Amino acid sequence: EAGVAQSPRYKIIEKRQSVAFWCNPISGHATLYWYQQILGQGPKLLIQFQNNGVVDDSQLPKDRFSAERLKGVDSTLKIQPAKLEDSAVYLCASSLVTLAGAKEQFFGPGTRLTVL
Amino acid sequence: QQPVQSPQAVILREGEDAVINCSSSKALYSVHWYRQKHGEAPVFLMILLKGGEQKGHEKISASFNEKKQQSSLYLTASQLSYSGTYFCGTESGSARQLTFGSGTQLTVLP
Repeated sequence: EAGVAQSPRYKIIEKRQSVAFWCNPISGHATLYWYQQILGQGPKLLIQFQNNGVVDDSQLPKDRFSAERLKGVDSTLKIQPAKLEDSAVYLCASSLVTLAGAKEQFFGPGTRLTVL
Repeated sequence: QQPVQSPQAVILREGEDAVINCSSSKALYSVHWYRQKHGEAPVFLMILLKGGEQKGHEKISASFNEKKQQSSLYLTASQLSYSGTYFCGTESGSARQLTFGSGTQLTVLP
């Protein structure tokens, strides 16, 4: 079974530039998550999709971050404009979710973003 | 509010045991445990659902005290491969989102 795919793996940009990350979840996984992981910290949920609808985006800085999941499969996360504090690893994860509760999340390799 | 993990770091010799604790101030649906090696993605270890159950995975097991909103991860006879950062994730809220702790860095020495 193929895992969660993400690209690019690394990205270096200057502040105020824009950047986009792409994620392809495991086939059949209805739920997709984007996390931000700053060095030395745990992953922080930015946005959670169920199929192509947003379940939770309470921690997404909406003035600069946006995300979409077209057709309930692939997803893109965009930052525009980037700030120095956005330097982090952006992790995409997917899971099967039932009404009884969340299942294990499978994480992609992440995109390491450096903002100069 | 993120769960609190303790200790922040622990160093063991191969074959020794370790306990990692995770506590939350919120009512929880479940607790997840993940291990992340340096430069890699987090890898799922186990989920504990409310009900005070205990689960095991080889020599790694965990418990969940629903009343205290606490979970503990037990690593028995640790191996070199156990080295990494362990995160607990607590599931709460109407969206049942996962909130991760700041992690416990475990180092197993030969």
